[in-house]
Amino acid sequence: GENVEQHPSTLSVQEGDSAVIKCTYSDSASNYFPWYKQELGKGPQLIIDIRSNVGEKKDQRIAVTLNKTAKHFSLHITETQPEDSAVYFCAAASGGSYIPTFGRGTSLIVHP
Amino acid sequence: GAGVSQSPSNKVTEKGKDVELRCDPISGHTALYWYRQSLGQGLEFLIYFQGNSAPDKSGLPSDRFSAERTGGSVSTLTIQRTQQEDSAVYLCATGTSGGTARGAQYFGPGTRLLVL
Repeated sequence: GENVEQHPSTLSVQEGDSAVIKCTYSDSASNYFPWYKQELGKGPQLIIDIRSNVGEKKDQRIAVTLNKTAKHFSLHITETQPEDSAVYFCAAASGGSYIPTFGRGTSLIVHP
Repeated sequence: GAGVSQSPSNKVTEKGKDVELRCDPISGHTALYWYRQSLGQGLEFLIYFQGNSAPDKSGLPSDRFSAERTGGSVSTLTIQRTQQEDSAVYLCATGTSGGTARGAQYFGPGTRLLVL
């Protein structure tokens, strides 16, 4: 089955800095890669996703890049703000059921 | 519009009791997933429903766990003879099965289950 590795487990940055979270996956059949943000006491919220037919996608301060050959994808957050502090999960899924395999999460702390 | 709702938000039960957790999906979402999240851990897939198709139960950890989805809408996750290791947050997510948003999942707030 699919295996998703996520790094780092904890990331601490100063407000205004950039943050990068990296994930690798093992199943070449995976073609859908979402990122979720989970705040304390809440359910995960989809923040951005990318499909295997593109290499990069951007939405305001967040962007995701995908390297299918190397089987890795990354989340980039620019100009971080304290409200970006949360746990971020990457995931990989394939068409049909789209049942995702999640990474173990990255706790992002943005210091004011 | 209304998002995914789950009830109860918190449940405390005694070991050996049965519990039922409910999920109300976003209207029109045909895909429904249940996950378990233990404290500080990632998301563990439990079961997947898609329309009228047979559910994918491959993630259920034991036969004490079961789920049903009535009329393609509301879903109930049942845990029989609860054990302390069942303590976790149970999350429900729904989504569409086609179109440009296929695969995207919208999560409810979860049910926090504590088994004493």
